[in-house]
Amino acid sequence: AQSVTQLGSHVSVSEGALVLLRCNYSSSVPPYLFWYVQYPNQGLQLLLKYTTGATLVKGINGFEAEFKKSETSFHLTKPSAHMSDAAEYFCAVNIGGGGYNKLIFGAGTRLAVHP
Amino acid sequence: DAGVIQSPRHEVTEMGQEVTLRCKPISGHDYLFWYRQTMMRGLELLIYFNNNVPIDDSGMPEDRFSAKMPNASFSTLKIQPSEPRDSAVYFCASSVSNQPQHFGDGTRLSIL
Repeated sequence: AQSVTQLGSHVSVSEGALVLLRCNYSSSVPPYLFWYVQYPNQGLQLLLKYTTGATLVKGINGFEAEFKKSETSFHLTKPSAHMSDAAEYFCAVNIGGGGYNKLIFGAGTRLAVHP
Repeated sequence: DAGVIQSPRHEVTEMGQEVTLRCKPISGHDYLFWYRQTMMRGLELLIYFNNNVPIDDSGMPEDRFSAKMPNASFSTLKIQPSEPRDSAVYFCASSVSNQPQHFGDGTRLSIL
């Protein structure tokens, strides 16, 4: 069965520092993997996705993630944090092999950015 | 372009009352999803539709919950009777086949 684990419910970084949000998944079939961001009182917004092909994927707002099959990981990074990056981030994997429909989400990581 | 539109944004009602949440998907999208978000359980898929037909309702918690999609531009999620444990943020999302889901801003539901 598919599952998603996000390590660290809260991460705090200084403005300009590296952002690293960790996600590990479990899937019996080649997964589709996603990172979404949620700002207060808003819905989820897609940051980036991995389906097939290049394992390093770039998303919006300077974020990127690397699919590592051997480590079953899909960690999200950004070289230099900005105050506007403060939000909650969700990793997700599709269920049932292929497609964008049935997703399961991790518990989320709240990112705080300090001046 | 207009995104997914949900109404109301906030709903406070008393236990036992019927609650109706509404969603207008993005025009042209043929998939519609209902999610529930709580602190305890995170984000859960309740049900999804394709071309107005329910495809998978295995996430619907119990018979008190029902969802309909009478046409391509409108869906409802009803809870009857409501209970305090139904308090959550409910999200609607829509997508085109083989594309990522777009989420609305959610309805924050409080059952007293």
